[in-house]
Amino acid sequence: EADIYQTPRYLVIGTGKKITLECSQTMGHDKMYWYQQDPGMELHLIHYSYGVNSTEKGDLSSESTVSRIRTEHFPLTLESARPSHTSQYLCASSVGTDYGYTFGSGTRLTVV
Amino acid sequence: GESVGLHLPTLSVQEGDNSIINCAYSNSASDYFIWYKQESGKGPQFIIDIRSNMDKRQGQRVTVLLNKTVKHLSLQIAATQPGDSAVYFCAENGATDSWGKLQFGAGTQVVVTP
Repeated sequence: EADIYQTPRYLVIGTGKKITLECSQTMGHDKMYWYQQDPGMELHLIHYSYGVNSTEKGDLSSESTVSRIRTEHFPLTLESARPSHTSQYLCASSVGTDYGYTFGSGTRLTVV
Repeated sequence: GESVGLHLPTLSVQEGDNSIINCAYSNSASDYFIWYKQESGKGPQFIIDIRSNMDKRQGQRVTVLLNKTVKHLSLQIAATQPGDSAVYFCAENGATDSWGKLQFGAGTQVVVTP
């Protein structure tokens, strides 16, 4: 059973549109993360948060932004989608630095 | 910079055989390691973890081995089944300034053949 939920699972959208990918977790985890992953490729950290009102950019530069107003919610926004944003976006959460992540099922985004 | 990397990008295994997936890490400060399994179209799922005070840990059909001397991590899957076909990632918790971010390896695609 997933305790971290991502919506939508699939999204096809036109260039220039604004989109928000939702991520919610019910585990009370302080740490949350967004990864970008192309099919069959490695995970790239694009954003992370260590708690409410805390957000940081990850290792891979991204044009997306995130917010963390509530512990359970960590949405990712693209103000103007481009074909280069086509990818899978994975959200994860963690209870601490020495514990693993719980991943959501991902959102597969296609920008046409 | 320091990173986690995998030796083999693709591993083909016959059903019933044992699989061994290898991972090299270069950050000697890492003290926690995890293996994840990612099936097609899904997010990575936790398989097993190991802390640096251990060199072996067993789960159901899986064993993780840690060799800190040569900075090597491996995942062994016993009696590989078709459902084991997936991409496997190793991850480490990195240096103390990593702020709790796991460092993931590139991934190994395991293909189980009949």
